[in-house]
Amino acid sequence: AQKVTQAQTEISVVEKEDVTLDCVYETRDTTYYLFWYKQPPSGELVFLIRRNSFDEQNEISGRYSWNFQKSTSSFNFTITASQVVDSAVYFCALSEAQGDDKIIFGKGTRLHILP
Amino acid sequence: EPEVTQTPSHQVTQMGQEVILRCVPISNHLYFYWYRQILGQKVEFLVSFYNNEISEKSEIFDDQFSVERPDGSNFTLKIRSTKLEDSAMYFCASSEFGTGSKDTQYFGPGTRLTVL
Repeated sequence: AQKVTQAQTEISVVEKEDVTLDCVYETRDTTYYLFWYKQPPSGELVFLIRRNSFDEQNEISGRYSWNFQKSTSSFNFTITASQVVDSAVYFCALSEAQGDDKIIFGKGTRLHILP
Repeated sequence: EPEVTQTPSHQVTQMGQEVILRCVPISNHLYFYWYRQILGQKVEFLVSFYNNEISEKSEIFDDQFSVERPDGSNFTLKIRSTKLEDSAMYFCASSEFGTGSKDTQYFGPGTRLTVL
């Protein structure tokens, strides 16, 4: 069965601090896809990254970086030098290659960046 | 940049009424999806749609739900007889490719449905 766990329900940090959002996933598939989406207070879902299971290289995009470790089934997300505009709910998600296309979301981590 | 659009942004209805939520996917996309998010909870898959038929649906997507692509651009979700527990944000998503490549799904801004 596929499952995504985001153990951190809510995190608050002061602006300019670095923060890491944890994500642990479960799947029986050897081929799968991992995602992060951002949901700002306005409510929309903003795609941040997609990573396939064969690509364990870490990725950096500006202040955002992702650490994918298959050995621990984790796909953590770090924001460096956080800004107030980073305040949002962040969802980690999984899609398996076998079968249907649905994305399974974690429960999300609500991130507060305090000025 | 192309984006998924949804109308209305907010729909208020009485219990037992029918509602239709509308979505315009990105124009060259072939795979369409509906998800819902009950307030404060996670996003849940409802249904996927390709080639004018449902390819997968979840347990949530029971007989009161239906989807349709009535023309070349719109993709709709109909709830026949709304219940209080249908109150949620409904997201439409689309992707260019589907199973196999697991292309990225791009989400619309959502329709907030309130059932009174």
